[in-house]
Amino acid sequence: NAGVMQNPRHLVRRRGQEARLRCSPMKGHSHVYWYRQLPEEGLKFMVYLQKENIIDESGMPKERFSAEFPKEGPSILRIQQVVRGDSAAYFCASSPLIKGTTYEQYFGPGTRLTVT
Amino acid sequence: QKEVEQDPGPLSVPEGAIVSLNCTYSNSAFQYFMWYRQYSRKGPELLMYTYSSGNKEDGRFTAQVDKSSKYISLFIRDSQPSDSATYLCAIGEYGNKLVFGAGTILRVKS
Repeated sequence: NAGVMQNPRHLVRRRGQEARLRCSPMKGHSHVYWYRQLPEEGLKFMVYLQKENIIDESGMPKERFSAEFPKEGPSILRIQQVVRGDSAAYFCASSPLIKGTTYEQYFGPGTRLTVT
Repeated sequence: QKEVEQDPGPLSVPEGAIVSLNCTYSNSAFQYFMWYRQYSRKGPELLMYTYSSGNKEDGRFTAQVDKSSKYISLFIRDSQPSDSATYLCAIGEYGNKLVFGAGTILRVKS
């Protein structure tokens, strides 16, 4: 059973460009979470999605950031007009989230975004 | 006050020692508790998870939760150099986001 897959693993963008980060959840998982890890800081929640629905985006910056999880294909985290402060490791996690039994989240290897 | 407090360390122990890692939390609505291990420049790896107070054991690892004190622990027995990593506690409400501690850096010396 393949784990959570993320690509690209490394992404370099110049200031003002767009960054697209992709996440494929584990087989059988329909819940996806995105987290950001800034240098020397802990993991911070950004957004929680189910297929075609954003459930909780309370951790997303109000501007330039968006996320989707379409019916078909991977979840996408999109950052428009990137700035140096966006440089970080972005992790995706997936969960089967069966209410009453299973809530654990499994993480992918992350995408390391560098803005030059 | 942070929702989840974790001593960042670093914690340095000799091989074979028992390691104790701890977190405290402030929100009594939190209902499930996880420990992750993260090697440098890798994704967090789920080690243990529990949804209730008490102890849960898996091999050399024991997770302990005390909801009345809002205190969780991870114990590692017979620590090995390969256990050297950052250990993250993560706490959440059912079906919701995880709130992470800052992570404790563990170094096991051979």
